[in-house]
Amino acid sequence: NAGVTQTPKFQVLKTGQSMTLQCAQDMNHEYMSWYRQDPGMGLRLIHYSVGAGITDQGEVPNGYNVSRSTTEDFPLRLLSAAPSQTSVYFCASSFTGLGNTEAFFGQGTRLTVV
Amino acid sequence: DQQVKQNSPSLSVQEGRISILNCDYTNSMFDYFLWYKKYPAEGPTFLISISSIKDKNEDGRFTVFLNKSAKHLSLHIVPSQPGDSAVYFCAARNNFNKFYFGSGTKLNVKP
Repeated sequence: NAGVTQTPKFQVLKTGQSMTLQCAQDMNHEYMSWYRQDPGMGLRLIHYSVGAGITDQGEVPNGYNVSRSTTEDFPLRLLSAAPSQTSVYFCASSFTGLGNTEAFFGQGTRLTVV
Repeated sequence: DQQVKQNSPSLSVQEGRISILNCDYTNSMFDYFLWYKKYPAEGPTFLISISSIKDKNEDGRFTVFLNKSAKHLSLHIVPSQPGDSAVYFCAARNNFNKFYFGSGTKLNVKP
């Protein structure tokens, strides 16, 4: 069982470059989300999606774009990287609706912007 | 403004003793609370959860307590083991399925 797969695991970008962080899940989860983890800040929600074709902003969306063309994939795009986007990024997925369901996380992408 | 807060960045406990990790929240609309465990260079993994209609949930050595009037939850680990050393995140879910996380508590269990 692959669960949630993120690529790449590490990335160094120059200021102004763009890139896409990939996220795929094989659990048929409707809900997918992107978080960034910074020291002392916990995990902050960037963008999320409740299903294919539907996305919305989280707490810290500026500088990031997302799309959800399939249930499985939820890529995160950095349009013009800035040093403030140096962070560890986690993708997560879960079922939606009522009931007690937890989010499953990928292993993370450590991004450094120089 | 953080809706979920973990005020203790770190906690050190002797092996075999109880570890108590605390979490406070501000939004009374949260319907589900979770604890995640995170090792270095790995993603968070689900540990235990509790619905807002309950006040206690137990799973082996792990028990989560919820005090809705105080908007407070805690995770008890008994007995603590060195393998429990990790960062623990408290999380709360609203009715739109959005998860809010605390800043984490780093637990160190000393042999």
